[in-house]
Amino acid sequence: DAGVTQSPTHLIKTRGQQVTLRCSPISGHKSVSWYQQVLGQGPQFIFQYYEKEERGRGNFPDRFSARQFPNYSSELNVNALLLGDSALYLCASSSQGSGYTFGSGTRLTVV
Amino acid sequence: GEDVEQSLFLSVREGDSSVINCTYTDSSSTYLYWYKQEPGAGLQLLTYIFSNMDMKQDQRLTVLLNKKDKHLSLRIADTQTGDSAIYFCAESIGSAGGSYIPTFGRGTSLIVHP
Repeated sequence: DAGVTQSPTHLIKTRGQQVTLRCSPISGHKSVSWYQQVLGQGPQFIFQYYEKEERGRGNFPDRFSARQFPNYSSELNVNALLLGDSALYLCASSSQGSGYTFGSGTRLTVV
Repeated sequence: GEDVEQSLFLSVREGDSSVINCTYTDSSSTYLYWYKQEPGAGLQLLTYIFSNMDMKQDQRLTVLLNKKDKHLSLRIADTQTGDSAIYFCAESIGSAGGSYIPTFGRGTSLIVHP
């Protein structure tokens, strides 16, 4: 079985641009969560989706948005990129009440 | 302050035991997790414990939970150089919607030297 897959693996964007990151959960997992990990820090929660509905939102500005599709895959969008958005973006999938399985992440660099 | 606190560094000799400690703030935490992150990689779930347990053992890993002191520890027996990584403690609380959202500490960098 494939694990959590994220694309792209690396991305370089310019300040002010917009970016879309993609995540496919483990087969059978209906919940997808997004985290931002800045270098030297722990992952910070951005969003959680379950069955296409937003179940939780972290302390991030409205420039960050996400959605989940009928096949449970998900996209994270970030508008008007800032230098401080440079980070590793991690997607995790889970089934009800279990531990979260993380993908390898997308490394976003904003220049 | 941080919801989950960990010391930043731990250095051990190969073959010794490693103990990584974590404190958390929310007494209603339902699940507590330990994750491992190797350089350039995502997070790998090592183990998790329900809040109604006080110990869980899985091969070389032992998790101890002191709910009264809100203290969680991860013991790695016979530590190997391949165990060198960053270890994250995380707590999660059940919500009315049935979701559990882990909150992570800053991570403990474990360095294993020969």
